[in-house]
Amino acid sequence: NAGVTQTPKFQVLKTGQSMTLQCAQDMNHEYMSWYRQDPGMGLRLIHYSVGAGITDQGEVPNGYNVSRSTTEDFPLRLLSAAPSQTSVYFCASSSGTGYATEAFFGQGTRLTVV
Amino acid sequence: AQSVSQHNHHVILSEAASLELGCNYSYGGTVNLFWYVQYPGQHLQLLLKYFSGDPLVKGIKGFEAEFIKSKFSFNLRKPSVQWSDTAEYFCAVGPFGNEKLTFGTGTRLTIIP
Repeated sequence: NAGVTQTPKFQVLKTGQSMTLQCAQDMNHEYMSWYRQDPGMGLRLIHYSVGAGITDQGEVPNGYNVSRSTTEDFPLRLLSAAPSQTSVYFCASSSGTGYATEAFFGQGTRLTVV
Repeated sequence: AQSVSQHNHHVILSEAASLELGCNYSYGGTVNLFWYVQYPGQHLQLLLKYFSGDPLVKGIKGFEAEFIKSKFSFNLRKPSVQWSDTAEYFCAVGPFGNEKLTFGTGTRLTIIP
């Protein structure tokens, strides 16, 4: 199984550009989430989804949009990139079918905004 | 709002030393507790997890953690570390489905051969 796949692995954007970070999972998980990882701050939740057509904001949603049209895919859109969005982005999925179910993470996307 | 505190930001140990990494949490409701590990250049992987039952939880690679409800703590331990344990360790709490985990700031562990 591929698990959680993120593309691209690396990206450099200019301020004001837009882009979409892709995330796909092949485990038929209902729950998917996006986190950003910054030095000294751990991982912070951007947006999450509990199923196709259902999304909600996390701790740091400003500047990001998401949609969930299928169970498998959960893209993250940066509408107008800013240097403050330079970070490593991780997508995660979990089945949500029981207590303490494991969240599986993708390999991450390292984004630099110049 | 939930929060997770990891007080050790960077720990340096020699091989075979014992390890304990602290984790304290604040969470309103039923708690799912996790330790994740991130090896250099890799994604996060689950080390161990706790929801209920025996408060001493055993995970992969010889790691264990103890849930102490009265102290709101979930400390990670390993009796004898190896060079390959060099990584960053994150404590996290989450709701039932884990669609929204709250992470601590992480502890960077460096093992000296």
